[in-house]
Amino acid sequence: EVQLLESGGGLVQPGESLRLSCAASGFTFSDYVMSWVRQAPGKGLEWVSGISDSGDNTYYADSVEGRFTISRDNSKNTLYLQLNSLRAEDTALYYCAKVGSDYFLVYWGQGTLVTVSS
Amino acid sequence: EIVMTQSPATLSVSPGERATLSCRASQSISSNLAWYQQKPGQAPRLLIFGASTRATGIPARFSGSGSGTEFTLTITSLQSEDFAVYYCQQYNNWPPLTFGGGTKVEIK
Repeated sequence: EVQLLESGGGLVQPGESLRLSCAASGFTFSDYVMSWVRQAPGKGLEWVSGISDSGDNTYYADSVEGRFTISRDNSKNTLYLQLNSLRAEDTALYYCAKVGSDYFLVYWGQGTLVTVSS
Repeated sequence: EIVMTQSPATLSVSPGERATLSCRASQSISSNLAWYQQKPGQAPRLLIFGASTRATGIPARFSGSGSGTEFTLTITSLQSEDFAVYYCQQYNNWPPLTFGGGTKVEIK
């Protein structure tokens, strides 16, 4: 059974940093593209970032480019998202997702909440 | 960036009736469209990919159609567990992946 377990969220002040993790199990992690998607409270879904199976290629939404960094450790079956220079508008539930054969999102974790507030 | 527009924002349907949800892309995305269902307090779940292929374990009452810029998700004979928010997402031109704003299917 595929499982994706996010962690690392919390309450931070504007300008601070966080690192989110997503522990994967139930599939061969190193074979799959992975992605992060966020959802602000009461709002819709926003794609944030994606990373190739090897980690060599990374992709970002314009809203986070230059502030967030996606990475993965295939030896630990773990996906990461480093969030720097956080803003109030980054407040959201952050989901990690396993990407299908094309770039649709086959499995989602339950999310980790990031709150940016002074 | 491809903009995805869903309509209506809210759809009121009685149990057992059919629901028809629309999704429009700002430019052609071929059949590179997925649909997701999200219930309150839960993560989204993949329903449909390739515009019309049901994901594993998705009941046959869910069907998708369309190509190019116009897409439809149809739920025949709505069950109580189908009342949720539904999102479409294009993956033809990325980054970025883009989602529609969602359609909430509520009990009439």
